[in-house]
Amino acid sequence: DAGVIQSPRHEVTEMGQEVTLRCKPISGHNSLFWYRQTMMRGLELLIYFNNNVPIDDSGMPEDRFSAKMPNASFSTLKIQPSEPRDSAVYFCASSLGRLNEQFFGPGTRLTVL
Amino acid sequence: AQTVTQSQPEMSVQEAETVTLSCTYDTSESNYYLFWYKQPPSRQMILVIRQEAYKQQNATENRFSVNFQKAAKSFSLKISDSQLGDTAMYFCAFYAGGTSYGKLTFGQGTILTVHP
Repeated sequence: DAGVIQSPRHEVTEMGQEVTLRCKPISGHNSLFWYRQTMMRGLELLIYFNNNVPIDDSGMPEDRFSAKMPNASFSTLKIQPSEPRDSAVYFCASSLGRLNEQFFGPGTRLTVL
Repeated sequence: AQTVTQSQPEMSVQEAETVTLSCTYDTSESNYYLFWYKQPPSRQMILVIRQEAYKQQNATENRFSVNFQKAAKSFSLKISDSQLGDTAMYFCAFYAGGTSYGKLTFGQGTILTVHP
C-alpha cells in the first residue's frame, strides 16, 4: 500500500488566496483526520471524519477553514481566504476503526506570504 | 477534557546509552490508550509503541519500552542503546475509548538528539 497520500507537499501562496490541500487515505480505512502543526501550538486536530461523515470539527480555527470528504478515498481541506498565520504543516491521517493506529501522510508545508 | 503534558522540551543522549522521555496525562476515562509517535526531520509521523490502559504489563518494541503508571497517570518512554537514527521529535498521545473514533490528543513533543 502506498500509505496516506497528500498533495501538494509544499504550497506557497499570497494572503487572500484560496488554498486547497488534498488527502487520499489508505484504502479500507474508515476514519480520517486533519492536523495542523506549528512551533507555537504543536500538533492540533482540526477535524475528523468517520465513514465520510464529519464527527468533530471543533478544532477548525474559523470559518475560513472548511473540509470535505466526498467519498472514502478523498478529502480536502480548504482555506479561503488564506492569511500569514495559517502558515504551518498540515497532516492528514487515517485509521481503520477506533482502536487502531493512525497512519500519517507526509504533510503539506503551507506558507502564506 | 483530556490533556497530555511532556515536560521536557529537549533531551540529548550519547549513542548507545539509554534515555527516558516523560509524559503525564489527565483524564477521567477508565478505558484508554496511550501512544508514542516519532517525527524525524523528514516530518513523517511514525508510531513507536502503544499501551492499552487495561493491560498491567508494560509494552515493549525492540529497543523501546514504556513505564506505564496508571495511578500516577504517567507514561514514559525508554530508549535503550540509542542510535543516531533515533534523533527526532517524540510525541506522547492519548486516545479515550468509546465513541471518540480514534481521536488523539498529543503532547507538545520532546526533541531528542542522539550524539555520536
